[in-house]
Amino acid sequence: AQSVTQLGSHVSVSEGALVLLRCNYSSSVPPYLFWYVQYPNQGLQLLLKYTTGATLVKGINGFEAEFKKSETSFHLTKPSAHMSDAAEYFCAVSRALSGSARQLTFGSGTQLTVLP
Amino acid sequence: SAVISQKPSRDICQRGTSLTIQCQVDSQVTMMFWYRQQPGQSLTLIATANQGSEATYESGFVIDKFPISRPNLTFSTLTVSNMSPEDSSIYLCSGTSGGNEQFFGPGTRLTVL
Repeated sequence: AQSVTQLGSHVSVSEGALVLLRCNYSSSVPPYLFWYVQYPNQGLQLLLKYTTGATLVKGINGFEAEFKKSETSFHLTKPSAHMSDAAEYFCAVSRALSGSARQLTFGSGTQLTVLP
Repeated sequence: SAVISQKPSRDICQRGTSLTIQCQVDSQVTMMFWYRQQPGQSLTLIATANQGSEATYESGFVIDKFPISRPNLTFSTLTVSNMSPEDSSIYLCSGTSGGNEQFFGPGTRLTVL
């Protein structure tokens, strides 16, 4: 079984400050990990993903995340927050289905507020 | 990437009625998924839909309550049957072409009175 824990349901940062959203996973097999963002009244948009290879992955909008197997973590960071980053962020882990398709299990989400 | 649209975007329904949500993809996808997102909560997978076969439902979800169709590789529907206020949620569909990424629709916001 796979699961994802996001620490902190609400995070507030000042504009220009570092953004750090925490995600820990549990998986019995090497995980594929994802971060999605959901803006108000919209669907989910993929920020970045880790499958294999380089453990530091870069995504859209200046976000990046580092896969740390020893810590079972995949924390999301951005050096300088922008007002437009205010949204709900979901960490997810996937497991293989038949063929090459994969199924996602989501964390509970972190609401990011950016203060002026 | 695939672009996914959903109809309706939102609806207000009376208890005891049913609503069918449509999900259209602009390209062929091998698998489609239906999720429920209750107010202030994360996404919970309802079922996985393959073309030409019965949908696979997750624990706690049954076909009689959430019948799903998948007539081709670009389209699927989810029906929420005999609705109650507890069914008030956002329903999202997603699709994958067998790669590592799922593409999501904008969601259908359902309110049951």
